Amino acid sequence: DAKTTQPPSMDCAEGRAANLPCNHSTISGNEYVYWYRQIHSQGPQYIIHGLKNNETNEMASLIITEDRKSSTLILPHATLRDTAVYYCIVRVPAGGTSYGKLTFGQGTILTVHP
Amino acid sequence: GAGVSQSPRYKVAKRGQDVALRCDPISGHVSLFWYQQALGQGPEFLTYFQNEAQLDKSGLPSDRFFAERPEGSVSTLKIQRTQQEDSAVYLCASSPELRFNYGYTFGSGTRLTVV
Repeated sequence: DAKTTQPPSMDCAEGRAANLPCNHSTISGNEYVYWYRQIHSQGPQYIIHGLKNNETNEMASLIITEDRKSSTLILPHATLRDTAVYYCIVRVPAGGTSYGKLTFGQGTILTVHP
Repeated sequence: GAGVSQSPRYKVAKRGQDVALRCDPISGHVSLFWYQQALGQGPEFLTYFQNEAQLDKSGLPSDRFFAERPEGSVSTLKIQRTQQEDSAVYLCASSPELRFNYGYTFGSGTRLTVV
């Protein structure tokens, strides 16, 4: 699976949009971009995933560049409860010979402050 | 249950002691993963089950680590002769089927401290 690069930490004011970048310049054509987050003392939580089109759900939006070498996770109105470590992961989809193992990096520590 | 349940939530073991960590996945989930998370690090893959079959155990750090899922539901991670370097949070995750459009559901983990 392709490696990802994320900034180690970011700050965001409550109520503002949080934009978390991820670089995955070696991504392969069949690899998806996944985002998880981990709130203190909890297990990681799935947020969103995408292949090449922008995606939006009730938690966040995912913007993937046209060349797919980078992406941005957007939390449109950050709250204090969004303070967590955010992980960007790229991997092939499960199925066939792949069972969808997730390889976590260091992630970005997002701190939302009042 | 509604989520992945892990027990115990905390475990303190004396060095050399054997421990068993339990994971109750969401009912009907086919895939089950175990991860190890050291303090300040991201989770690291240990092993994967598809139903009762252990298809990948490449992440188990030594032969002191053993995992099983005999009936394809509950899984147990056993660590024999625990060492201080085994201190970590052990996370379990499950997924309903081998399809890319399902995010995995993680439990809250078991924090193991070896003293």
